[in-house]
Amino acid sequence: AQSVTQLGSHVSVSEGALVLLRCNYSSSVPPYLFWYVQYPNQGLQLLLKYTSAATLVKGINDFEAEFKKSETSFHLTKPSAHMSDAAEYFCAVSEPNYGQNFVFGPGTRLSVLP
Amino acid sequence: DGGITQSPKYLFRKEGQNVTLSCEQNLNHDAMYWYRQDPGQGLRLIYYSQIVNDFQKGDIAEGYSVSREKKESFPLTVTSAQKNPTAFYLCASRSGTSGMYEQYFGPGTRLTVT
Repeated sequence: AQSVTQLGSHVSVSEGALVLLRCNYSSSVPPYLFWYVQYPNQGLQLLLKYTSAATLVKGINDFEAEFKKSETSFHLTKPSAHMSDAAEYFCAVSEPNYGQNFVFGPGTRLSVLP
Repeated sequence: DGGITQSPKYLFRKEGQNVTLSCEQNLNHDAMYWYRQDPGQGLRLIYYSQIVNDFQKGDIAEGYSVSREKKESFPLTVTSAQKNPTAFYLCASRSGTSGMYEQYFGPGTRLTVT
């Protein structure tokens, strides 16, 4: 069965500092991986996804993530945090078969300090 | 613009009343999902549907019911049997038959039951 862990339920960074949000997964087959962002009282918005093409994936708002099979990780990074990046971030995993196979991690709340 | 709409944004009900949350999509997606989100928690799957006139229970289906009479619509009814219905409810849809497809989310409905 698939599962996703996100280390750190709350991460704080200073404005302009590097953002690093961690995601590790377990899956019996090579998965597809996704990062979503959620602003307060809103739905989730896709930041980026890995679908077995390039291991370094670039997304919106200068976010990127690198798929590392040996570490079963898909960490999200951004070189320079902006105040508008403060939100909840969710990592999700999906296996190739269709159906109820989209599993979300518990989320990481990012705070950006001035 | 294509997307998912959920209405209303905020909903208030008295305990013991059934309430139906609307979810409509014009993305021509086959699959639709309902999630529940509680403060500081991730997403928990309530029900999902891969095709019209068919749906499956998710992890927390007790006290909820759904229907899928049209491809575009997937309403969720929160019944009086749901012990703790106050939460943020998210609807999502997904295209294709491969796990590589992401879920698209609506803006959510915040339900408060007193």
